[in-house]
Amino acid sequence: AQSVTQLGSHVSVSEGALVLLRCNYSSSVPPYLFWYVQYPNQGLQLLLKYTSAATLVKGINGFEAEFKKSETSFHLTKPSAHMSDAAEYFCAVSKGNTDKLIFGTGTRLQVFP
Amino acid sequence: DAGVTQSPTHLIKTRGQQVTLRCSPKSGHDTVSWYQQALGQGPQFIFQYYEEEERQRGNFPDRFSGHQFPNYSSELNVNALLLGDSALYLCASSGSDSGNTIYFGEGSWLTVV
Repeated sequence: AQSVTQLGSHVSVSEGALVLLRCNYSSSVPPYLFWYVQYPNQGLQLLLKYTSAATLVKGINGFEAEFKKSETSFHLTKPSAHMSDAAEYFCAVSKGNTDKLIFGTGTRLQVFP
Repeated sequence: DAGVTQSPTHLIKTRGQQVTLRCSPKSGHDTVSWYQQALGQGPQFIFQYYEEEERQRGNFPDRFSGHQFPNYSSELNVNALLLGDSALYLCASSGSDSGNTIYFGEGSWLTVV
C-alpha cells in the first residue's frame, strides 16, 4: 500500500525566507511523487512531479523538490518566499503516470511581510 | 484551450436526495478521475474512467457511481446523500498527449443539509 505523510499542517515564513515543506512517502513499488498547490476556493495545480528521472525536480513558481530514496522523502523547497505563495500544498504518490493519486493531508503555508 | 471544467460550482442538497456532478476533461484527454475533498483534508480518490469503463475504484460505497460518455466527459452520481458527503468534488483528467500529467478542475462544492 502507498501512503504520504506531510509533517506540519501549518508553516509560517517571512517574505524572502526559505520555504521548506516536508513530505515522506511509503510505497512497495518505485513511486511517482507529486506536489500540488491549492489556492483558496480553487482546484489543484501541479507544481512538479518525480517520475524516476532526475532526483532533483524543478517546478513552476521557483519551487523544487528532491527525491531521497534512503530517507523516503520528497521535500518541497523555495529559496525566497513571496506573499503570493500563501496557499495549501499537497504531496501525493502514485504507482504510475495514470494511476490514482494518494494525497497527504496538506500543509498550509502562510507568508508574512 | 479550456482546462477541466466542472458544473455546478456550488449546490445544496437535502439528506436522502441524489446529486449529479458533471465534468468536461481538458481537450485531448481521455481519462477522467473523481476525488472527494472534505474540509481540511486531502483529496480522496473515488474512481477513474477510461474508454467509458470504470478502471479503478477507491474505498467509496456503491452510493457513488459514475459514467463516462463517448466524448470523454463524465458524471459523478451520489444517491441517498448523507451529511458526511458534504465536500468539494474534484474532477481530474489526463491523456497521453500531455504526458499523462493529471489536471484538476476547480471543483463542485456540495453541501448536504
